[in-house]
Amino acid sequence: EVQLVESGGGLIQPGGSLRLSCAASGFTVSPNSMSWVRQAPRRGLEWVSVIYRGGTAYYADSVKGRFTISRDNSKNTLYLHMNSLRADDTAVYYCVSESFNPPYYFDYWGLGTLITVSS
Amino acid sequence: SYVLTQPPSVSVAPGKTARITCGGDNIGSAGVHWYQQKPGQAPVLVIYFDSDRPSGIPERFSGSNSGNTATLTISRVEAGDEADYYCQVWDSSGDHRVFGTGTKVTVL
Repeated sequence: EVQLVESGGGLIQPGGSLRLSCAASGFTVSPNSMSWVRQAPRRGLEWVSVIYRGGTAYYADSVKGRFTISRDNSKNTLYLHMNSLRADDTAVYYCVSESFNPPYYFDYWGLGTLITVSS
Repeated sequence: SYVLTQPPSVSVAPGKTARITCGGDNIGSAGVHWYQQKPGQAPVLVIYFDSDRPSGIPERFSGSNSGNTATLTISRVEAGDEADYYCQVWDSSGDHRVFGTGTKVTVL
């Protein structure tokens, strides 16, 4: 059974930094592209970032320059490094795996971890 | 950036058919995917590549895509179908993924 388990969320002050982790089991992150998707309270889904099998990464304009996605294949874990956090980054962050081929869709989702940016 | 527009809400009586639209410029040339999200839960893929269903998704869920509109159809609606539904595409121009604005389906 595929499981994606996020951790690292919590309350953080504006301007602070945080690292989210996503541990995978029953599934290998290295051959797949992996994304982070977030959902602000009572709002819709927003794609944040993707990392491809070869390590190439892309970001939504709202987080570009502040967030960095990475992956440790030896630990089968995905990360999201977040800097200069703002109140509008408050959201549940989901770790998701993608289909092998385009047009890409999200096949497995974690349960999410909540980040609250507030003073 | 690419924009996908959905109606905020759709109401349907049990046993009837719900149709949820997703509008985007020439979306018919993209592959559209649909997710169901119930309160407090992570989204679940219900349709991929316009009309394919993952294993475990009832045949009552179907999809179509043409021109500037993609549609998710839920036939013989049940109370358990009450949820938020999101369309999604891959924007190849910037290698981004884009979600629709979301539609809340209410079963009367």
